[in-house]
Amino acid sequence: QQQVKQSPQSLIVQKGGISIINCAYENTAFDYFPWYQQFPGKGPALLIAIRPDVSEKKEGRFTISFNKSAKQFSLHIMDSQPGDSATYFCAAGRAQKLVFGQGTRLTINP
Amino acid sequence: DTAVSQTPKYLVTQMGNDKSIKCEQNLGHDTMYWYKQDSKKFLKIMFSYNNKELIINETVPNRFSPKSPDKAHLNLHINSLELGDSAVYFCASSQVGEGSEAFFGQGTRLTVV
Repeated sequence: QQQVKQSPQSLIVQKGGISIINCAYENTAFDYFPWYQQFPGKGPALLIAIRPDVSEKKEGRFTISFNKSAKQFSLHIMDSQPGDSATYFCAAGRAQKLVFGQGTRLTINP
Repeated sequence: DTAVSQTPKYLVTQMGNDKSIKCEQNLGHDTMYWYKQDSKKFLKIMFSYNNKELIINETVPNRFSPKSPDKAHLNLHINSLELGDSAVYFCASSQVGEGSEAFFGQGTRLTVV
């Protein structure tokens, strides 16, 4: 049962461009929506997170947009840099349990 | 001063063996987790412990047994290893309270041959 669907699986963006990754969830009980960044050989690290009572959250070049009625949320990376090349995971959580999306391998070309 | 540390980083073993992975966190968190990341990078929760008590136990074969001697440690013991157990296993911890950031260890790459 895939509760969190993430797309695309892979994404190539030119340096300076905008990277957009989308997620959709099914369970309306979820109340916490984080994005994690994972570099090869490392564990996932929290990038940014949002609660369903706000529609957008921005931290530096990273923005989460959240649409509660559509049960969708997305990550936007502005001015993408080669150092942003990594695998990104969306997740949805409730009661300390996180359900992860399938991951998006992002490559930023210099 | 690693926040969540797990050992070993790599583990290669034969089918049928029993092995353990250790995890320790120095963040003072009350909750610890084990996640499995398969070859397609899919991350799935296996277990969660809060103050040494099991609170989440997903559909995992009972060959996998977590052990929490204290709230800073959560070890994973696997009996009768199978080829399909090959994966990267991540330990994580978070503070009690919904929406708390989960901190992950570096992972243990288990290869069963």
